[in-house]
Amino acid sequence: KAGVTQTPRYLIKTRGQQVTLSCSPISGHRSVSWYQQTPGQGLQFLFEYFSETQRNKGNFPGRFSGRQFSNSRSEMNVSTLELGDSALYLCASSYHADYKLSGRGNEQFFGPGTRLTVL
Amino acid sequence: AQKITQTQPGMFVQEKEAVTLDCTYDTSDQSYGLFWYKQPSSGEMIFLIYQGSYDEQNATEGRYSLNFQKARKSANLVISASQLGDSAMYFCAMRGPDSWGKLQFGAGTQVVVTP
Repeated sequence: KAGVTQTPRYLIKTRGQQVTLSCSPISGHRSVSWYQQTPGQGLQFLFEYFSETQRNKGNFPGRFSGRQFSNSRSEMNVSTLELGDSALYLCASSYHADYKLSGRGNEQFFGPGTRLTVL
Repeated sequence: AQKITQTQPGMFVQEKEAVTLDCTYDTSDQSYGLFWYKQPSSGEMIFLIYQGSYDEQNATEGRYSLNFQKARKSANLVISASQLGDSAMYFCAMRGPDSWGKLQFGAGTQVVVTP
């Protein structure tokens, strides 16, 4: 079974530009979550999509947005890039669809990440 | 609010020895899930093990086991027979019942395995 894929793997942008990152979940997974990882702030949750609906959102400005398509693939967009947006952006997919937290099906599998550098 | 604490910023382990990575959590929820991930220098976050709060037995996955002590709110990861390839950052994470896909991560523990 193929894992979570993210494209591109590396990006260099300048301040003020916008960027779109893509994530393809594991086949059969309908939940996709996005995280930002920086040395200073660690891993921070951006948002989560399930069946094309945003179910949860972290504390990030409106410049960060996302969407999910009918095939569960997800994109996140950052507009008006700032230097502080330089980070590793990780996408994760999961099968879980409800409150059940016991046993299998709750694992969240991550992609290799997109490393964004803003100059 | 949920909080994950990993008190060991870094540790050295000799090859073939077992190592325990500490993780404590704070939550008022009765139902929650606990995760451990490994992140090598390449950056990819690798899932290791999962424990649900109502799961009666401690989770095990190959050389990884989770020492779940619910009353103490701890979920320590035990790696048996360390290998050089185990050198990485290890993160403990938690998900609550209303969190859907949101994981709350600890700060991580850097493990270096020496020959």
